Amino acid sequence: DIQMTQSPSTLSASVGGRVTITCRASQSFTRWLAWYQQKPGKAPKLLIYQASELESGVPSRFSGSGSGTEFTLTISSLQPDDFATYYCLQYNSDSWTFGQGTKVEIK
Amino acid sequence: QVQLVQSGAEVKKPGASVKVSCKASGYTFTDYYIHWVRQAPGQGLEWMGRVHPNTGGTRSAQKFQGRLTMTWDTSISTVYMEVSRLTSDDTAVYFCARGKWQQLVLAYWGQGTLLTVSS
Repeated sequence: DIQMTQSPSTLSASVGGRVTITCRASQSFTRWLAWYQQKPGKAPKLLIYQASELESGVPSRFSGSGSGTEFTLTISSLQPDDFATYYCLQYNSDSWTFGQGTKVEIK
Repeated sequence: QVQLVQSGAEVKKPGASVKVSCKASGYTFTDYYIHWVRQAPGQGLEWMGRVHPNTGGTRSAQKFQGRLTMTWDTSISTVYMEVSRLTSDDTAVYFCARGKWQQLVLAYWGQGTLLTVSS
């Protein structure tokens, strides 16, 4: 199975700041990676798929990049609604795996 | 609109089994895989497996193989997930989810079902 190592596990940032979250894969693959946002008590919300495709309705301050073994989610200007936990998901292999999650807190 | 509605919270004893349902609406039930994802209290998301209600194809994560059974009833557009030999480590919220149109990635989610395993 492909293991996904997500970092950092927690980060503190200010409103308006730039945030970068990374997922590293144990095996190389091209683009079957997604990013989700989750708030307490809610189901995850899809932000990015195929590594860099923005889901419909998601603000353009969210972007994704990467291929191979390193993938990145960037929030260009953090907004109050963005404080949440973020997960990557690889769906390249037959057995899918999530990263461990990154909690974005208010600085 | 696509909706996935799950059954209610469950409390089970260690060693028992639990069966959670996920009723789909708003699309052709047999066209998409249904996946199961769980989240233990304060922990991250864990992909468990998937089932296709048309082909019958299933795949489970290695740690659940032999303990996870996914079935479906096309007549009522419902998928079921059964986990056997429960332990306290199975205490979690269980989500069903479906892929996006023409994409594999999970875009539609049920509301979650809390399973508590306690003696």
